[in-house]
Amino acid sequence: AQSVSQHNHHVILSEAASLELGCNYSYGGTVNLFWYVQYPGQHLQLLLKYFSGDPLVKGIKGFEAEFIKSKFSFNLRKPSVQWSDTAEYFCAVNARNAGNNRKLIWGLGTSLAVNP
Amino acid sequence: DTAVSQTPKYLVTQMGNDKSIKCEQNLGHDTMYWYKQDSKKFLKIMFSYNNKELIINETVPNRFSPKSPDKAHLNLHINSLELGDSAVYFCASSPEGARAEAFFGQGTRLTVV
Repeated sequence: AQSVSQHNHHVILSEAASLELGCNYSYGGTVNLFWYVQYPGQHLQLLLKYFSGDPLVKGIKGFEAEFIKSKFSFNLRKPSVQWSDTAEYFCAVNARNAGNNRKLIWGLGTSLAVNP
Repeated sequence: DTAVSQTPKYLVTQMGNDKSIKCEQNLGHDTMYWYKQDSKKFLKIMFSYNNKELIINETVPNRFSPKSPDKAHLNLHINSLELGDSAVYFCASSPEGARAEAFFGQGTRLTVV
């Protein structure tokens, strides 16, 4: 079955620390990959996405992610986090389900808390 | 203009009641979704509609019934509400295609007491 795994459910960092959030997926076909962010009390917003081409994609607010096909991974990174990055981060994969319908498959999310 | 709008934003109700949450998108998207986010922030898809047709129906109690009067609207009706239904419910929409990202509404925080 298709699935998306986010390795850490809770991450606590100090400001200026570097961030890497892991995301692995299990799906053998062509994938399209997304990272979404949910700030406290708000809805999910797209951070960045990968479809094809350069496996290193850059998103908003200094975030980037690297697609490594051989590792089925799409890890999110930021060199220096800020307090305002405190949020939930969700990895998602667009894949076909058993009914041949495309749908977004979500990881369980990683809660990031950045201490000032 | 809000792209995906849900009403109400907050809903507090007693067990056993029936309630509805409305969702409208003005993006011209063909696909709409309902997601449930529990207290641990886990996000779970409930339903997906494409051009008013149900295409994804995850394991959801049949007390939950989506209705799509047209492709811009996807409402969620919940019968006989239970305490465990308390969560934030997000509506989302996306255009056709594998590269389509989802656009989310602001969420409806449902509290069943």
